[in-house]
Amino acid sequence: QLQLQESGPGLVKPSETLSLTCTVSGGSISSSSYYWGWIRQPPGKGLEWIGNIYYSGSTYYNPSLKSRVTISVDTSKNQFSLKLSSVTAADTAVYYCARDPFRVTLFGVERFGFDPWGQGTLVTVSS
Amino acid sequence: EIVMTQSPATLSVSPGERATLSCRASQSVSSNLAWYQQKPGQAPRLLIYGASTRATGIPARFSGSGSGTEFTLTISSLQSEDFAVYYCQQYNNWPPLTFGPGTKVDIK
Repeated sequence: QLQLQESGPGLVKPSETLSLTCTVSGGSISSSSYYWGWIRQPPGKGLEWIGNIYYSGSTYYNPSLKSRVTISVDTSKNQFSLKLSSVTAADTAVYYCARDPFRVTLFGVERFGFDPWGQGTLVTVSS
Repeated sequence: EIVMTQSPATLSVSPGERATLSCRASQSVSSNLAWYQQKPGQAPRLLIYGASTRATGIPARFSGSGSGTEFTLTISSLQSEDFAVYYCQQYNNWPPLTFGPGTKVDIK
């Protein structure tokens, strides 16, 4: 059974860089059938997609965060990571990692939603 | 960017009753829509993908319908464990992938 686990500092100072890692267990991050994504949720608010990465290193970012986000993958450790620079209080949120399966068909790419998700980790931006 | 809206913001339902949640996309997303359930303190859980296909292990009382810009999630007979927040998400046009603001289903 595939599991994802986020890890990283729970407190980051304003203007610094938030860094999180998602460790995948029970399956390989190098599968050709999955993107791996980061999603965040400010306290009491809705879900915001941050970006996805493919095991080859191809990345896809939310344009609203693109200038500050870097997602990378380490296939040897079965991990992928998020860096968000120049953080402010507005970046305070629970950060989730999740698997994003897809399949290439004759008619295009078929996707299946984010499943499963990690338990999430709260990152607070404060001095 | 495709904007997702959901209605109502809060739905008060008695256990055993039917709940109908709506999701609308600002432009057609075909059937490329997922629904998630989130309980307090937990990560979202995938319920439906492809607008109408239940994810593995999801009870049959959850059903999804719609295509294009209008979608519905129906819970046929609400159980106590179904009181939660429900989000829709489009994956037709990306980036970005976008979520609706959520509908909270609470006990009447």
